[in-house]
Amino acid sequence: QVQLVQSGAEVKQPGASVKVSCKASGYTFTRYYMHWVRQAPGQGLEWMGLINPSGGSTSNAQKFQGRVTMTRDTSTSTFYMELSSLSSDDTAVYYCARDQSATYGYFGPWGHGTLVTVSS
Amino acid sequence: DIVMTQSPDSLAVSLGERATINCKSSQSVLYSSNNRNYLAWYQQKPGQPPKLLIYWASTRESGVPDRFSGSGSGTDFTLSISSLQAEDVAVYYCQQYYSTPYTFGQGTKLEI
Repeated sequence: QVQLVQSGAEVKQPGASVKVSCKASGYTFTRYYMHWVRQAPGQGLEWMGLINPSGGSTSNAQKFQGRVTMTRDTSTSTFYMELSSLSSDDTAVYYCARDQSATYGYFGPWGHGTLVTVSS
Repeated sequence: DIVMTQSPDSLAVSLGERATINCKSSQSVLYSSNNRNYLAWYQQKPGQPPKLLIYWASTRESGVPDRFSGSGSGTDFTLSISSLQAEDVAVYYCQQYYSTPYTFGQGTKLEI
């Protein structure tokens, strides 16, 4: 079965960067886009961007342009999302979510989430 | 960006009764070339990631009980739960995937 296993919780200081990983298994890695979605405490869902694992091209929400980097490692079937210049507004649970249909943009399997806390 | 607005923000329904959640998009999410509405619904329970319920506005995801149904087209959509069960208590989100950035509604909290 499809599994997305994310890295553990992180605590970062303002201005720092964080890199969250998402290890995929149970399907053909290069076939499905991977998305990153975040959720601030008690708030709704916010799409951050996607990566095409076949080639590595990305598309990010304008809000995160210049601050977010999405990459993948095909040798380990792992996706990464790095967010820089962190502020308290970036405190959230970060999810990887696989495109259910390969490329359309609705999300099937989700990772369990990685809590990133930004605090001095 | 396409803005998704759900109503109501919260809803209390008796067990066995029907629950209806509305979602409105700021522009049409109907793609004319294939006549598909690029609209999905998710259920999120506390401490869990969201779960896909409905896509293409009305196609139920495999394994989702048939008491869940989606309808609507263009800019106005509805998620219905025909006979509320205790395990349906959750927050429900609509999402458009017509264009990036993909956007979600603010969520509707469903309670008994």
